[in-house]
Amino acid sequence: SYELTQPPSLSVSPGQTARISCSGDALPKKYAYWYQQKSGQAPVLVIYEDRKRPSGIPERFSGSNSGAVATLSISGAQVEDEADYYCFSTDFSANQVFGGGTKLTVL
Amino acid sequence: QVQLVQSGTEVKKPGASVKVSCKASGYTFSSHYIHWVRQAPGQGLEWMGIINPSGGITNYAQKFQGRVTMTRDTSTSTVNMELSNLRSEDTAVYYCGRDGLLGSSGYIHYWGQGTLVTVSS
Repeated sequence: SYELTQPPSLSVSPGQTARISCSGDALPKKYAYWYQQKSGQAPVLVIYEDRKRPSGIPERFSGSNSGAVATLSISGAQVEDEADYYCFSTDFSANQVFGGGTKLTVL
Repeated sequence: QVQLVQSGTEVKKPGASVKVSCKASGYTFSSHYIHWVRQAPGQGLEWMGIINPSGGITNYAQKFQGRVTMTRDTSTSTVNMELSNLRSEDTAVYYCGRDGLLGSSGYIHYWGQGTLVTVSS
């Protein structure tokens, strides 16, 4: 079955740029999406179609997709950005899948 | 505004079935697919499948085929997810989510609040 691979954890200091990767064989042909999930809450969409931001999402969140790796970047990470982040995409058989998630620590 | 309101907490015994409902409002029900996702305690998100409320056509993740059934009721703008033959590993929070695309399957833009299902003898 199709898999999206993310690093389990990432730690940055406040004000630094956090970059979370997501690798998958179909990503050169399929969009990547990114979700933020804080403890005890439902996920929130932060990036769609590789690089678009939904309304209400701060400009410090950005996305890219090149080759077989999609990347979520948080420029000037803030303590409030501490959360689990999941990538999401589709394989060539229309099966949708989440990455394993990355726990971002900002301290 | 788009709202997805899910049914409440469930406690089930192994081997039983559970049905979780998701009532949609704030948009045209038939125009957007509905996804189901679950999250076991301390674990990541797992995509279970999707239903097109317009015709009722479904696509289930291979892992759940044979055990999951997704249905819709257009008269109440409600989508249901039934999971059968429950085991302890099915203990999780179950989320419904509305697709962001019009008339096709792409991604989850709006999420329900989640429903905790506990499977225990």
